[in-house]
Amino acid sequence: GESVGLHLPTLSVQEGDNSIINCAYSNSASDYFIWYKQESGKGPQFIIDIRSNMDKRQGQRVTVLLNKTVKHLSLQIAATQPGDSAVYFCAEPRNRDDKIIFGKGTRLHILP
Amino acid sequence: DTEVTQTPKHLVMGMTNKKSLKCEQHMGHRAMYWYKQKAKKPPELMFVYSYEKLSINESVPSRFSPECPNSSLLNLHLHALQPEDSALYLCASSQRHGNGIQYFGAGTRLSVL
Repeated sequence: GESVGLHLPTLSVQEGDNSIINCAYSNSASDYFIWYKQESGKGPQFIIDIRSNMDKRQGQRVTVLLNKTVKHLSLQIAATQPGDSAVYFCAEPRNRDDKIIFGKGTRLHILP
Repeated sequence: DTEVTQTPKHLVMGMTNKKSLKCEQHMGHRAMYWYKQKAKKPPELMFVYSYEKLSINESVPSRFSPECPNSSLLNLHLHALQPEDSALYLCASSQRHGNGIQYFGAGTRLSVL
């Protein structure tokens, strides 16, 4: 069946280093992906999205890469800061029923 | 402004109580959503309202009753809940159903005793 999943449940990164959070998907027809950030005690917050006609999209300190050949996307956070501590979800809005399929989430820990 | 406001932030209720969760957005969004989130899990969709009409009910037990009084407001009425219903309840909105980007509120942390 369809799935959107993350490779690692927890990622620990030194403050100032770059973080890379990975996500795999199974449906080759998937054409739109969203990354959400959920801080403790808050709801998920939209970070960045990408459509399948793009390989890369950049935001402020974040970059999303999409590799359609291996059905993989990643979220890169440059110069990780303490405020980046959160759970990150990749998500796929599904066309046939307009639902968002969330991945399991990766918790990002920032080491001082 | 991409704010979705949920009240209350925390709620403790007994299994015989009746309570309501409220959600409000003033972004002109025409789709609103209720999600349930358990600890260390992603949000699970419960209900979708599109243009103030219920368009999706994810086989949610009838002890949860949604209501959309107008395009800015969404309620979730709770009655005879079970302890396993304890969770974070999230409201979200989007420009229209199927638009993709949903904006979430901070949630209501519900404990059922």
